[in-house]
Amino acid sequence: QKEVEQNSGPLSVPEGAIASLNCTYSDRVSQSFFWYRQYSGKSPELIMSIYSNGDKEDGRFTAQLNKASQYVSLLIRDSQPSDSATYLCAVKRGDGGATNKLIFGTGTLLAAQP
Amino acid sequence: NAGVTQTPKFQVLKTGQSMTLQCAQDMNHNSMYWYRQDPGMGLRLIYYSASEGTTDKGEVPNGYNVSRLNKREFSLRLESAAPSQTSVYFCASSLVGHSNQPQHFGDGTRLSIL
Repeated sequence: QKEVEQNSGPLSVPEGAIASLNCTYSDRVSQSFFWYRQYSGKSPELIMSIYSNGDKEDGRFTAQLNKASQYVSLLIRDSQPSDSATYLCAVKRGDGGATNKLIFGTGTLLAAQP
Repeated sequence: NAGVTQTPKFQVLKTGQSMTLQCAQDMNHNSMYWYRQDPGMGLRLIYYSASEGTTDKGEVPNGYNVSRLNKREFSLRLESAAPSQTSVYFCASSLVGHSNQPQHFGDGTRLSIL
């Protein structure tokens, strides 16, 4: 079992719809959770972070965390073609405190169709 | 405000050649990381440096060495390049000592070993 699992996709959503990206993790004491966006041929770019159970909203993006279910998700409202990218879920493990080491999922490819 | 700068951006090597990938950050971060990214494998940690003067192995350290030259700079060396080291290499940095700090990535080095 991978430490951080994501569906590789592609996840195809029509323009204007809500895209829902999911991530599960295996380390129950994981502390922090990050979503990165990576356009083809580019570097990962941080878009959201979440540390407490519940929802966190930032513009069109909402991150959701459920530590009991070891599940974190990213919702993108009003999807635009410019949202088409690979979304990487990253988890800071419970033992990562002194180093901020992150474990990355393999990413979900999102295709927002006009 | 450069952030994390990697050089070179592209490199082609022959099997057995050596080279050093350079990384520098200007965000006064204390931790730095080297990753490789291969199709279907996600980001895998090669080496990291939690603070100036320390380095530790990550998930895939074989065939690589690192040097934390000072607080700003963290280099990755391939002593005898192999085709299996063909990949995209990313350097990242983070501020440790403060909770929940993300990693910030450079633009990457695309390395081909023939």
